Amino acid sequence: GAGVSQTPSNKVTEKGKYVELRCDPISGHTALYWYRQSLGQGPEFLIYFQGTGAADDSGLPNDRFFAVRPEGSVSTLKIQRTERGDSAVYLCASAPMRENTEAFFGQGTRLTVV
Amino acid sequence: GQQLNQSPQSMFIQEGEDVSMNCTSSSIFNTWLWYKQDPGEGPVLLIALYKAGELTSNGRLTAQFGITRKDSFLNISASIPSDVGIYFCAGRPTSGQSAGNMLTFGGGTRLMVKP
Repeated sequence: GAGVSQTPSNKVTEKGKYVELRCDPISGHTALYWYRQSLGQGPEFLIYFQGTGAADDSGLPNDRFFAVRPEGSVSTLKIQRTERGDSAVYLCASAPMRENTEAFFGQGTRLTVV
Repeated sequence: GQQLNQSPQSMFIQEGEDVSMNCTSSSIFNTWLWYKQDPGEGPVLLIALYKAGELTSNGRLTAQFGITRKDSFLNISASIPSDVGIYFCAGRPTSGQSAGNMLTFGGGTRLMVKP
């Protein structure tokens, strides 16, 4: 597709379970970002990849959260031992590395922990 | 986490009216962006501002980068029903893309338009 694709669109999981959220960036975009958006709030930065490496993971809330991008394209956000407070929309964005070119967001994955 | 102060939180206006919303920060930002988010979708970029004092238009939308670099506003002229949605400001302390796109977002302004 032409845009950033995130799967699944919705995920309901039980407290304590492990989940993986997938992001397919726009082809050729080297930069990839994950944000988390809680209900009624703006997105909050989680982690930034430049190619395969995590250039900045300062937004990850704790060590239950981890993200990978092994081949510099698709990224997976992994959450261990999910808690009800992890319920949110997880947004992925990708960008080419050109001056003053902003990232494009995917539609997000709505995670609900019950 | 830190968020920009965006106001108003919501507005209910008559179709055809002009709309104004703004964003303030205690920190300096060198890039200001305005996004619109529809239900079930990700944010879509409306306007990007890269210079203090810059005034930029995109159709009926006009945004300005405050001279102090701590604020920005967005105006929508002659609102129509499809303007309904949530508008977010976002700031980045650095200029350009090369330093990464880690944005700080405002809390959003929910716009509702009476037909």
